Amino acid sequence: EAGVAQSPRYKIIEKRQSVAFWCNPISGHATLYWYQQILGQGPKLLIQFQNNGVVDDSQLPKDRFSAERLKGVDSTLKIQPAKLEDSAVYLCASSAGPGVTKNIQYFGAGTRLSVL
Amino acid sequence: AQSVTQLGSHVSVSEGALVLLRCNYSSSVPPYLFWYVQYPNQGLQLLLKYTSAATLVKGINGFEAEFKKSETSFHLTKPSAHMSDAAEYFCAVTRNSGNTPLVFGKGTRLSVIA
Repeated sequence: EAGVAQSPRYKIIEKRQSVAFWCNPISGHATLYWYQQILGQGPKLLIQFQNNGVVDDSQLPKDRFSAERLKGVDSTLKIQPAKLEDSAVYLCASSAGPGVTKNIQYFGAGTRLSVL
Repeated sequence: AQSVTQLGSHVSVSEGALVLLRCNYSSSVPPYLFWYVQYPNQGLQLLLKYTSAATLVKGINGFEAEFKKSETSFHLTKPSAHMSDAAEYFCAVTRNSGNTPLVFGKGTRLSVIA
């Protein structure tokens, strides 16, 4: 079974530029998460999707960050314009849904963003 | 609200020694608890999970953790460290209603000395 795919793996941009990250979850997983992991910290949720609907985006800086999951499968996270403090690893995770056996989140390798 | 505190940002052990990584949680509702491991330049891999069944949970690579409600703890242990265990370890909590985001601790970096 293929895991969560993310691209690109690395991205270097200058501040005020825009950037987009892509995630393809495990086939059949209805729930998709984007986390931000700043160096030296644990991942923090940015946004959660259930199929193509947003469940929780309370921690997403909406003035610069946007995300979509139009067909309920893959997802794109965009930052425009980027700030220095956006330098982090952006992790995508997916899960099959609620329930003891299904509520396991599987993570992609992440995209490491450096903003100069 | 839920939170996790991992005591010790860096733990160093000798090869063959006991590994003990500490995690305390705070949750106003019954929690699900997880330990994830992250190797350099990789995503997070699930080590083990507590979902209100047995309080002693066994995971992959010889790791286990014990849920202690009275101490609000979920410490990770391994009897004998291997060089390959060197990595970053994260404790995480979520509500037991399922399908909810994880709240992570800051992580503990484990070094194993030959």
